[in-house]
Amino acid sequence: GDSVTQMEGPVTLSEEAFLTINCTYTATGYPSLFWYVQYPGEGLQLLLKATKADDKGSNKGFEATYRKETTSFHLEKGSVQVSDSAVYFCALSEAQGAQKLVFGQGTRLTINP
Amino acid sequence: AAGVIQSPRHLIKEKRETATLKCYPIPRHDTVYWYQQGPGQDPQFLISFYEKMQSDKGSIPDRFSAQQFSDYHSELNMSSLELGDSALYFCASSYGTRNTEAFFGQGTRLTVV
Repeated sequence: GDSVTQMEGPVTLSEEAFLTINCTYTATGYPSLFWYVQYPGEGLQLLLKATKADDKGSNKGFEATYRKETTSFHLEKGSVQVSDSAVYFCALSEAQGAQKLVFGQGTRLTINP
Repeated sequence: AAGVIQSPRHLIKEKRETATLKCYPIPRHDTVYWYQQGPGQDPQFLISFYEKMQSDKGSIPDRFSAQQFSDYHSELNMSSLELGDSALYFCASSYGTRNTEAFFGQGTRLTVV
């Protein structure tokens, strides 16, 4: 079945550092790809998405590019802030099917001042 | 803006008891999804409903059942609770099922003792 593999955490960085969280996927067909963020005690919030190859999703300084050739959707941010501390989930859904999501295992990010 | 409302936010039950979790989707959303997130785990898809009919089924135990009512709210009924059912249960809603964003509630934390 479809699956998502994320970079192992936790990840700890200093403020203003460059962030990369790796995500690769296995899927039949052409899935849509997502990054969700979960702040402590809260639900999942959609951070960004891409629905086809070479699309770049971006939001709040975060970016990820749908790479079909490497089946990847790595999350990047040029300069992280303390407020970015959260758990980040990579996820996919079937492109033309129902919107159920298959999540990666999550990466806990901590940003120190 | 109105969000997905889940109730209760926290629930403590004893083994072998039953529990009912409720989800109120965003107004005009006709699709509801249920996910289970164990401690330190990624969310796992349980079941979804579109226009009050079950649209997809994931790893939902036979002890669990769910339905969507005429006002589009949904309830997840859990019987013969086990310690392993302790988790955060998320509901998400969307308008339609294809190429549409799902919005998540804050979740119900169920603890089985």
